[in-house]
Amino acid sequence: GEKVEQHESTLSVREGDSAVINCTYTDTASSYFPWYKQEAGKSLHFVIDIRSNVDRKQSQRLIVLLDKKAKRFSLHITATQPEDSAIYFCAASMGAYKVIFGKGTHLHVLP
Amino acid sequence: GPKVLQIPSHQIIDMGQMVTLNCDPVSNHLYFYWYKQILGQQMEFLVNFYNGKVMEKSKLFKDQFSVERPDGSYFTLKIQPTALEDSAVYFCASSLRKFNQDTQYFGPGTRLLVL
Repeated sequence: GEKVEQHESTLSVREGDSAVINCTYTDTASSYFPWYKQEAGKSLHFVIDIRSNVDRKQSQRLIVLLDKKAKRFSLHITATQPEDSAIYFCAASMGAYKVIFGKGTHLHVLP
Repeated sequence: GPKVLQIPSHQIIDMGQMVTLNCDPVSNHLYFYWYKQILGQQMEFLVNFYNGKVMEKSKLFKDQFSVERPDGSYFTLKIQPTALEDSAVYFCASSLRKFNQDTQYFGPGTRLLVL
């Protein structure tokens, strides 16, 4: 079945450095790739998304890249801050309703 | 921003009993979703609901599961009867348009423990 692999289960970076979280997907029909942030004890919060008609999207300190050939997409957080510490989930959707999530990456931003 | 509410926040229930999880979606949203997250694991899609109908469901959405939103009130997930493997956090989400056209807003989750 369709899968989304999130490669880093844990990632630690120094405050001010960049963090990169990588995901791959299996279904070539996937066309929509959102990213979510989950802070301890809280629900998911949408952060950024990218659609298959573009290969790069930026929103402030967040950049998402999409490589459709490699079926790979990534989230880049630049100039990390302590409040960026959370679990980040990538997801892929091949239709209007169904979405497959990755297992999550625990990002720790160290002072 | 828009908020999705879920009631109750925690529920403990004996195996075999029925449980209803309630979701109060964002008021003008039309698409509703349930997800299941077992502790430490990824979020898994259960079902999507629109215009009074289930649009798509996953293999996790067993026959014991049902969803409804009577007369625009709570969007509910009912499990009858419950099994031990139903223990998880259940997240409700809603969106104004289809998932791939609009942001989903998630509720805080209901932690279900089946004993």
